Amino acid sequence: GESVGLHLPTLSVQEGDNSIINCAYSNSASDYFIWYKQESGKGPQFIIDIRSNMDKRQGQRVTVLLNKTVKHLSLQIAATQPGDSAVYFCAETGIQGAQKLVFGQGTRLTINP
Amino acid sequence: DAGVIQSPRHEVTEMGQEVTLRCKLISGHNSLFWYRQTMMRGLELLIYFNNNVPIDDSGMPEDRFSAKMPNASFSTLKIQPSEPRDSAVYFCASSRALTGTTGNTEAFFGQGTRLTVV
Repeated sequence: GESVGLHLPTLSVQEGDNSIINCAYSNSASDYFIWYKQESGKGPQFIIDIRSNMDKRQGQRVTVLLNKTVKHLSLQIAATQPGDSAVYFCAETGIQGAQKLVFGQGTRLTINP
Repeated sequence: DAGVIQSPRHEVTEMGQEVTLRCKLISGHNSLFWYRQTMMRGLELLIYFNNNVPIDDSGMPEDRFSAKMPNASFSTLKIQPSEPRDSAVYFCASSRALTGTTGNTEAFFGQGTRLTVV
């Protein structure tokens, strides 16, 4: 029979373009958020994090934006490269000081040459 | 630092057999997470420990699953007896919990153990 799995949101961008990956979270008490990148056959890899007392944080080619009002998180990747092709997950901790890290379903980013 | 080390990388076992997955934390980390990843359910948190103490095991599927931290740097996840529906990639992750503050730190993941139960 047909296998049914998660239908990951997908995003395809041209190499060199900027990409924006979005994530909605449900717990208004979440105070720490992380973006992870997972390549095929590997474990999730930390990209960038942000705490709830901030609304923007920048890294190398990546920017995370946090909108607590609408409980929305985004990851912007500038000048995408083929190596950026992966599944991207947002993760949150639900209770201040706690360590339970809950992951979203992920977005598959494909970079077209 | 070698990062989080999981073993074995691949495990194929027959239904009913006991399976033990192993994880070595990054030195200095005191929080340990076990996750399971499948196509059907994505990345699920099974259990996590702080300072060797299990804090939340609500994600453990059933009594066939058990996890331990015999010391501060090592953990095992055991499935007994294993079933075909346990087939998945199991990830271990560690982080450093900042006590006395509101800070958390990012979790670092191992490469995972791909378990196939036939």
